[in-house]
Amino acid sequence: KQEVTQIPAALSVPEGENLVLNCSFTDSAIYNLQWFRQDPGKGLTSLLLIQSSQREQTSGRLNASLDKSSGRSTLYIAASQPGDSATYLCAVLYSGGGADGLTFGKGTHLIIQP
Amino acid sequence: GAGVSQSPSNKVTEKGKDVELRCDPISGHTALYWYRQSLGQGLEFLIYFQGNSAPDKSGLPSDRFSAERTGGSVSTLTIQRTQQEDSAVYLCASSLVVIGDSDYEQYFGPGTRLTVT
Repeated sequence: KQEVTQIPAALSVPEGENLVLNCSFTDSAIYNLQWFRQDPGKGLTSLLLIQSSQREQTSGRLNASLDKSSGRSTLYIAASQPGDSATYLCAVLYSGGGADGLTFGKGTHLIIQP
Repeated sequence: GAGVSQSPSNKVTEKGKDVELRCDPISGHTALYWYRQSLGQGLEFLIYFQGNSAPDKSGLPSDRFSAERTGGSVSTLTIQRTQQEDSAVYLCASSLVVIGDSDYEQYFGPGTRLTVT
């Protein structure tokens, strides 16, 4: 059974810092990995999707990497801003058979201090 | 439409009553997913539709839960005889699935917050 873990569970940093969020998964049989952000009381916003054949994706100040063989992904946020405050979720789409839904980690709650 | 929509946004119901939650996916998306987000469990996958067919219903928490999709578009998630442990946010997502392509990016709706009293 696929399991996804995110570290740290919470993080508070001053504005302007670069930071890294970590995600690990137990089974390397994945189609892709997605990073989402969730604001309080809201749905999920997709940030980046990395397909299993890719190593990284970039969007603006965000960069996500994928090392499928070691079961790890990182989300790098450059020059953090207070508007980046949210919960960040990592999810994988397992290709090892069974249902076709995403398996999520429990998220990293990020606070950027002004 | 511009995105995935869900209704109602909030639902309060008494224990034992039935509820229906609705999801309207992005136009043209053939795949539709239901998830549940509760405080203790995080986000968990419930069921997936490819067109109107749900190949695997094993993720549904109990036989009180059912889902259907008609016309390859709108889906409803029905919970019968609701219990307090059903209280959660129910999220719907859709994706444009292309056979032979691994790009299954899922786009989520705002969710329905269900409270069972």
